[in-house]
Amino acid sequence: GAVVSQHPSWVICKSGTSVKIECRSLDFQATTMFWYRQFPKQSLMLMATSNEGSKATYEQGVEKDKFLINHASLTLSTLTVTSAHPEDSSFYICSARTGQGGTEAFFGQGTRLTVV
Amino acid sequence: QKEVEQNSGPLSVPEGAIASLNCTYSDRGSQSFFWYRQYSGKSPELIMFIYSNGDKEDGRFTAQLNKASQYVSLLIRDSQPSDSATYLCAVNMFSGGYNKLIFGAGTRLAVHP
Repeated sequence: GAVVSQHPSWVICKSGTSVKIECRSLDFQATTMFWYRQFPKQSLMLMATSNEGSKATYEQGVEKDKFLINHASLTLSTLTVTSAHPEDSSFYICSARTGQGGTEAFFGQGTRLTVV
Repeated sequence: QKEVEQNSGPLSVPEGAIASLNCTYSDRGSQSFFWYRQYSGKSPELIMFIYSNGDKEDGRFTAQLNKASQYVSLLIRDSQPSDSATYLCAVNMFSGGYNKLIFGAGTRLAVHP
């Protein structure tokens, strides 16, 4: 299957600071990537759809100014959690599709964010 | 109504038995369906996808789809302790101009020796 690499795999930051998470498609070009958040024992909640060269599309209830998404190239999307607070602590996962809607999505390894 | 619904479990089966995992979805227009497995602390990994009504088999796994009933299931034959994980049903939905994968809450499967 296609490879999606996410970095870092875990990060601890102080409250009020910002954290950037990278998501790379290593062996294919991804015009669209997706960012999910998962709290313990809960399912993946789609946060936003990241589009190369244009603004991301955010799901209802997700703060655009808090979760900045940049999809600068066909192989890289970044999620920046700005002014992080303890309630932002979660498992963030990106995914990318190799083709249009019917194809499977491949996931990055996930990033465990802990805000202290 | 949630878009994708699964029984949270845990579903406990003995080693060697068949595990049956179920999922219903709300969007009648959805055309593609996926089963992912997720171990604790890890990201999901794809097990199977299915697009057409009926059964699709891959090794010990069989996915079943009934679009009329808006129902998709996953059967795991000869269950092994290593199959113990959370199984996520995902449905492709077209919304806001994009095809998005929407996940159910997942079913925890425990296979005991």
